[in-house]
Amino acid sequence: GAVVSQHPSRVICKSGTSVKIECRSLDFQATTMFWYRQFPKQSLMLMATSNEGSKATYEQGVEKDKFLINHASLTLSTLTVTSAHPEDSSFYICSAWGDQETQYFGPGTRLLVL
Amino acid sequence: QKEVEQNSGPLSVPEGAIASLNCTYSDRGSQSFFWYRQYSGKSPELIMSIYSNGDKEDGRFTAQLNKASQYVSLLIRDSQPSDSATYLCAVITGTASKLTFGTGTRLQVTL
Repeated sequence: GAVVSQHPSRVICKSGTSVKIECRSLDFQATTMFWYRQFPKQSLMLMATSNEGSKATYEQGVEKDKFLINHASLTLSTLTVTSAHPEDSSFYICSAWGDQETQYFGPGTRLLVL
Repeated sequence: QKEVEQNSGPLSVPEGAIASLNCTYSDRGSQSFFWYRQYSGKSPELIMSIYSNGDKEDGRFTAQLNKASQYVSLLIRDSQPSDSATYLCAVITGTASKLTFGTGTRLQVTL
């Protein structure tokens, strides 16, 4: 199966700072990647669809200026949480479609904003 | 009405029993259905995918799809304590290849 990695796995930052999370497809090319957020005891909520070489598509209610997405290559998408606040603390997970119409998930990044 | 609905549980079954997890979806045009397992603090991992009406078996897992009833289920035979996790039902709706997840059912397999 396809492998998706994320970095960092865990990050703690001060309120008001920005945090960048990387998502890489290690053994396949991904023209489209997805970014999800999951709060404790809740399901995954799609934040945005990251498209290589073009602008990301954000879901309703997700601020594009706060959650900056860059998909500059076929194997890398980044999510930057700008001016993070405690309410942004969550588990951020990326995914990409691999072979056999299967969406593979990265291991996730746990963000804690103090 | 939520797009994908699951009973949140917890569903408790004894070791060795069959666990039955259910999911309903609202978009009649949905074509692709997935079951993911998520351990606490981890990201989801794919268990089964199913696209046609009927049953699909893979080891101890069987997925069942009934498009007329807009219902998809996952059966886990010979349940093991290691099966204890949250099981997420996901559906592709529309043409954008986006997954919509249910809230998940927490399964507890007891000794």
